[in-house]
Amino acid sequence: QQPVQSPQAVILREGEDAVINCSSSKALYSVHWYRQKHGEAPVFLMILLKGGEQKGHEKISASFNEKKQQSSLYLTASQLSYSGTYFCGTEYSGGGADGLTFGKGTHLIIQP
Amino acid sequence: EAQVTQNPRYLITVTGKKLTVTCSQNMNHEYMSWYRQDPGLGLRQIYYSMNVEVTDKGDVPEGYKVSRKEKRNFPLILESPSPNQTSLYLCASSVLYNSPLHFGNGTRLTVT
Repeated sequence: QQPVQSPQAVILREGEDAVINCSSSKALYSVHWYRQKHGEAPVFLMILLKGGEQKGHEKISASFNEKKQQSSLYLTASQLSYSGTYFCGTEYSGGGADGLTFGKGTHLIIQP
Repeated sequence: EAQVTQNPRYLITVTGKKLTVTCSQNMNHEYMSWYRQDPGLGLRQIYYSMNVEVTDKGDVPEGYKVSRKEKRNFPLILESPSPNQTSLYLCASSVLYNSPLHFGNGTRLTVT
């Protein structure tokens, strides 16, 4: 079962902040975040393990709320280069070793 | 350079004509996987492989075959392609099934 990402799309001005959510109805063990620019392959951003850990990568950070079975990706002071489609990939607790289940993606457009 | 290489990048074919999409990685990764990406549906896993000679079905395996005879190669075979298999296909590899994925640049397949 695919995790649910919200919003589906967001348009921002350069410098504004964005939050992308990834929710699951099943218990999560880890959440991966990827960004895909138009015409390119998805690129790994970060991984969150269960435990409420928050990670950061320059102005992009993420959190994992085990109670809500949800992860959020935070983009601070967005830059034009942040435009693209963001995917979360989830690994379920007690699941098999079949890899990640991806959400449908969130399209992020940053305008000058 | 560490990479996942897919060929061809673009392919147009007709219904029923067998085709193979190749995928090769030079990172000595144990885990490899195939995804299809369709608008509004995100990334859906077709097949995955934990190691040589070990393959298993993902979420959407119907109409596809794979093999893993060597660690570096993981070809995707469509024995009798149909128009509903028109999609962007992405091959990925990682150290383990829950490690960050490295994606190839994709193969855009059109079946008429």
